[in-house]
Amino acid sequence: QSALTQPASVSGSPGQSITISCTGTSSDVGSYNFVSWYQQHPGKVPKLMIYEVSKRPSGVSTRFSGSKSGNTASLAISGLQADDEAHYYCCSYAGSSRVFGGGTNLIVL
Amino acid sequence: EVQLVQSGAEVKKPGESLKISCKGSGYSFTSHWIGWVRQMPGKGLEWMGIIYPGDSDTRYSPSFEGQVTISADKSISTAYLQWSSLKASDTAMYYCAREGTGTTSYDYWGQGTLVTVSS
Repeated sequence: QSALTQPASVSGSPGQSITISCTGTSSDVGSYNFVSWYQQHPGKVPKLMIYEVSKRPSGVSTRFSGSKSGNTASLAISGLQADDEAHYYCCSYAGSSRVFGGGTNLIVL
Repeated sequence: EVQLVQSGAEVKKPGESLKISCKGSGYSFTSHWIGWVRQMPGKGLEWMGIIYPGDSDTRYSPSFEGQVTISADKSISTAYLQWSSLKASDTAMYYCAREGTGTTSYDYWGQGTLVTVSS
């Protein structure tokens, strides 16, 4: 069971929009609508941002959105803010287990 | 208020055993899967395994099967992660997290337990 593939880093300027991809296989991302995304600031606990591909938990900004096509899920962030600078991880259901992506470092220029 | 409170930081020597805990409160502990996640220094999140405290059904990542044991005591709303013989490579932050009902996403997290293994 390999980790989901995410770009190591993504960058954008304040106000811009970015997208982070998360590529799995037909055994995980491609077969289930159970992809979630987590934001982690340095030294902090991960925070759930998106669940079930595109649903936002209460309190999460509408600037965050999720989608999926085939074996690839995506997290989009619009109107980038300085506080969005963090690591982002995707996670997928994979039958009896779950698997995380390697993580993406979002840099706000 | 849902809370997961983990046991404190540990410093151990290679070969020693260890059991860390995660106590849930503010919700029905027996009705949600609890997962364990490893984060090695400067690295990403790794899914280790999960347990359903209601019946102790346990699943492991192939990477961690046989390396750790996940258990739970529903009478005290506590999940555990244990090692029988620690290695230096087990040095990491370990998080427990609750899976939301029917979602397989982790909606509440413990504060993390830092395990340091050094001779």
